[in-house]
Amino acid sequence: ETGVTQTPRHLVMGMTNKKSLKCEQHLGHNAMYWYKQSAKKPLELMFVYNFKEQTENNSVPSRFSPECPNSSHLFLHLHTLQPEDSALYLCASSQVLADTYEQYFGPGTRLTVT
Amino acid sequence: AQSVTQPDIHITVSEGASLELRCNYSYGATPYLFWYVQSPGQGLQLLLKYFSGDTLVQGIKGFEAEFKRSQSSFNLRKPSVHWSDAAEYFCAVGAKSGGYNKLIFGAGTRLAVHP
Repeated sequence: ETGVTQTPRHLVMGMTNKKSLKCEQHLGHNAMYWYKQSAKKPLELMFVYNFKEQTENNSVPSRFSPECPNSSHLFLHLHTLQPEDSALYLCASSQVLADTYEQYFGPGTRLTVT
Repeated sequence: AQSVTQPDIHITVSEGASLELRCNYSYGATPYLFWYVQSPGQGLQLLLKYFSGDTLVQGIKGFEAEFKRSQSSFNLRKPSVHWSDAAEYFCAVGAKSGGYNKLIFGAGTRLAVHP
């Protein structure tokens, strides 16, 4: 595997289900990100992990729970979601250096909440 | 506050025609600028980036972008568009926030290519 991978690619879940999204980066980076991309809305940054420490939580509802066990893996645990949570969830990684900002994205998980 | 504006939500061009996608940014210091492309159902792929030096940068897939400080712009260009270029294009600026680096994205421009 190369780059950033995400599983599953598609997920349909009911509002009472619990599921997890997985992201893995094979780039040797030390920062990972979760974004939400909804139709007709800009990309929303949800969570940021630098060196496995969460450094950003953009007022994301508690029904979304991130986990970063090491610098290569990132999870997003989902429970009791709402239909408006249906979106494409993108994971990204980057190498945190003083003057680097580029991020590398995975293909995303298309989530549908019924 | 830093921001990125992409004035065009949708653009349609004919295959073989030239393309220019506009991007304006608001940032106090020297910006780090990026263009990403997203094909349907896919993640974002980095097309090109500007940090410093030559203001005309070359990217993948035949794209280039020009940084113009006086206009706060970083427009993306391609001399001859192919049908496979149909996608959504995002301009972004790098910014520091609370001790970490992040990207601020524009709302995107959706490109359609007519045969």
